[in-house]
Amino acid sequence: EVQLVESGGGLVQPGGSLRLSCVGSGFTFSRYWMHWVRQVPGKGLLWVARLNEDGNWIDYADSVKGRFTISRDNAKDTLYLQMNSLRAEDTAMYYCSKDLSGAADSWGQGTLVTVSS
Amino acid sequence: DTVMTQSPLSLPVTPGEPASISCRSSESLLHSRGYYSVHWYLQKPGQSPQLLIYQASNRASGVPDRFSGSGSGTDFILKISRVETEDAGVYYCMQALEPPYTFGQGTKLEIK
Repeated sequence: EVQLVESGGGLVQPGGSLRLSCVGSGFTFSRYWMHWVRQVPGKGLLWVARLNEDGNWIDYADSVKGRFTISRDNAKDTLYLQMNSLRAEDTAMYYCSKDLSGAADSWGQGTLVTVSS
Repeated sequence: DTVMTQSPLSLPVTPGEPASISCRSSESLLHSRGYYSVHWYLQKPGQSPQLLIYQASNRASGVPDRFSGSGSGTDFILKISRVETEDAGVYYCMQALEPPYTFGQGTKLEIK
């Protein structure tokens, strides 16, 4: 069974940084593109970033470009999202997901990031 | 960026009745490999989203066959042949033709 477990969320002040992690199991992690998607509580979904199997093809949403960095460690079956210069509007639940033919296939349970002073 | 527009935004349905959700994109979602790069998700209350349909018409693993997807170009439809109470939640379409990937606003399906 595919499992994705996110961690690293929490309360951070505006301008601060956080690093989210997502550990995958039940599949060969190194063979899949991976995504981060976020959701403001009670609102819709927003795609954040994706990277390919070896981490050298990366795309970002405009709203996070230059502030967020997606990466992976295939030896640890782990996906990361380094978030810098955080803003109040980055407050959201952050989900990692595994790719299937361009779709976000399996999703984790999410980790909540709150940016507030 | 490609804009995805769903309708309706609210959909009350009686169990056993059919339901249909439309998703229109601002650009064609035809991939160079011949498939449409549009996907459908359901987010049940308090849960993470789950993939229902990928590449416009392929059911994801474990998805009941009462769910079907169709469409071409810029117009896509998700159909539920006979709604069950467990189908309640918010349905999203998403385009993955080119980054940034974009979602529709969501359609809330409510069981009458």
